[in-house]
Amino acid sequence: TQLLEQSPQFLSIQEGENLTVYCNSSSVFSSLQWYRQEPGEGPVLLVTVVTGGEVKKLKRLTFQFGDARKDSSLHITAAQPGDTGLYLCAGARDGGYNKLIFGAGTRLAVHP
Amino acid sequence: EPEVTQTPSHQVTQMGQEVILRCVPISNHLYFYWYRQILGQKVEFLVSFYNNEISEKSEIFDDQFSVERPDGSNFTLKIRSTKLEDSAMYFCASRALGGEQYFGPGTRLTVT
Repeated sequence: TQLLEQSPQFLSIQEGENLTVYCNSSSVFSSLQWYRQEPGEGPVLLVTVVTGGEVKKLKRLTFQFGDARKDSSLHITAAQPGDTGLYLCAGARDGGYNKLIFGAGTRLAVHP
Repeated sequence: EPEVTQTPSHQVTQMGQEVILRCVPISNHLYFYWYRQILGQKVEFLVSFYNNEISEKSEIFDDQFSVERPDGSNFTLKIRSTKLEDSAMYFCASRALGGEQYFGPGTRLTVT
């Protein structure tokens, strides 16, 4: 069974703080996606990482794929209340038709 | 910007009834997916569909479930005889060849 473990499960911080969310697995993934999900809505794609060691930046968000392609992290610099939401990582394995295995998510609350 | 659309947004049905959830994938996409998310749980893969046939399905996708692409634009998920435990958010996703999965806003299915 392929599992993606996300930590922490919940994170409550003040505006302006930095934070890191982790996504770990014992399995190798060909790619890993980060999504953000608002209550009652579908996941919205933030970024895809495909190469071991890859780092991608999206404004104040920095995404990293582990060298062995088993783990990933999301770092947010100077968090804003607008960053509040559920962050999901999802991995796809080599071959197959790219079904995604999702983590349980990290629920982030940024307080003004 | 093209997006995946789903109808209805909320479906309430009685146990044992058939339901059809509808999706319109992004127009040039070739791969189609259904996922579900039971309240408070992970997003789970149900089925992938390519070239007018199921390419992969999970253990959840038993004989009560079926998918169809009845025309060039719609992609449907049918549940033949709903159970209480089928209550969940159902998400459709699509992707282009070599591309990333984009999710629809979901259909909330409530089985009473």
